[in-house]
Amino acid sequence: DAKTTQPTSMDCAEGRAANLPCNHSTISGNEYVYWYRQIHSQGPQYIIHGLKNNETNEMASLIITEDRKSSTLILPHATLRDTAVYYCIVRVGRGADGLTFGKGTHLIIQP
Amino acid sequence: DSGVTQTPKHLITATGQRVTLRCSPRSGDLSVYWYQQSLDQGLQFLIHYYNGEERAKGNILERFSAQQFPDLHSELNLSSLELGDSALYFCASSLTTGGNTGELFFGEGSRLTVL
Repeated sequence: DAKTTQPTSMDCAEGRAANLPCNHSTISGNEYVYWYRQIHSQGPQYIIHGLKNNETNEMASLIITEDRKSSTLILPHATLRDTAVYYCIVRVGRGADGLTFGKGTHLIIQP
Repeated sequence: DSGVTQTPKHLITATGQRVTLRCSPRSGDLSVYWYQQSLDQGLQFLIHYYNGEERAKGNILERFSAQQFPDLHSELNLSSLELGDSALYFCASSLTTGGNTGELFFGEGSRLTVL
């Protein structure tokens, strides 16, 4: 699986959009970009994933650059409950290996 | 609620002992994954079972073993425990190997403390 690079931590004001960047310059053509988050000591939670096109669901939007070497997760209206560690993961969609979690970005939503 | 159930939630034991952690996957999910999360190592993939068969191994120690039963629940056995085994152990499930979307559903974890 391709490696990812994320900032260690970020702050965002409550009610504003939180934009979390991820670099994955060695991504292969058959690898998806996944985002998970982990709220303190709870089990990781799936947020969204994509291959080439931008994606949106009820939780977030995923913007993938045209060359697929980077992506941005957008939480449109951050709340205090969005404070968590956010993991960007790239891997093939049907691989047998588990997801490889890096250190992620600790997003802190400020009141 | 992810639908994945892990027991026990907390476990305190002594060095040298053996423990078993249990995971019930979401209804219909055939794949079970085990992860270890310690303060200094982050989330580490241990092992993956699909429909009773081992599919992939990660950083799992020889003192650890796992199995998936015909009813699809899984157990992670940790033996000859050391202080460094203290961690959160997560189980995750998905419908297929990696899931159609790669989405894994995680349980709330079992916190193991070795004294």
